[in-house]
Amino acid sequence: SQQGEEDPQALSIQEGENATMNCSYKTSINNLQWYRQNSGRGLVHLILIRSNEREKHSGRLRVTLDTSKKSSSLLITASRAADTASYFCATRGGSYIPTFGRGTSLIVHP
Amino acid sequence: DAGVIQSPRHEVTEMGQEVTLRCKPISGHDYLFWYRQTMMRGLELLIYFNNNVPIDDSGMPEDRFSAKMPNASFSTLKIQPSEPRDSAVYFCASSFRGTSTDTQYFGPGTRLTVL
Repeated sequence: SQQGEEDPQALSIQEGENATMNCSYKTSINNLQWYRQNSGRGLVHLILIRSNEREKHSGRLRVTLDTSKKSSSLLITASRAADTASYFCATRGGSYIPTFGRGTSLIVHP
Repeated sequence: DAGVIQSPRHEVTEMGQEVTLRCKPISGHDYLFWYRQTMMRGLELLIYFNNNVPIDDSGMPEDRFSAKMPNASFSTLKIQPSEPRDSAVYFCASSFRGTSTDTQYFGPGTRLTVL
């Protein structure tokens, strides 16, 4: 399975700090996406990075991809209490269908 | 657009009863997905449709589960009979392959409790 696995499972930080979470996968991919899930809500797409890209930015989000290590990282800079959520990576290989990991639970303390 | 709409948002039922979950995808989207989320198993893909046709139902746990998509704007997931272990949050998501971004748009979910 090329299911992504996020690390750590849980992360607790103070407001203003940076939060980094990682995703590892097993087989080659076409792209990798990060989603956020607030408590009691559905997942919301944050950012997509293609296999030929190494880094992408979106606001306070920075995503890197290292295909040689089969891993990606999501960095949230200057975190806010509103960033408290679970974050999932989703990998897509040859199939159109992405596979979701188990997620990282992020708590940002005000 | 209102996004993906799911109903009901909460469902509490007794073991053995039939449960029907409903989903209205985003207009124009050609893929529809049903997921189940639990603490133990995370987010599981149950089945997905392309242009109203079921493509892969290998994630459907048992014959008690069935899904239909009679038209492009409506899908149902039915559990009959329901069991306590079916308790979970069920999500519907839709996407449009034409954009090649693979972005899935999720509904708010249906929280199912089977007593």
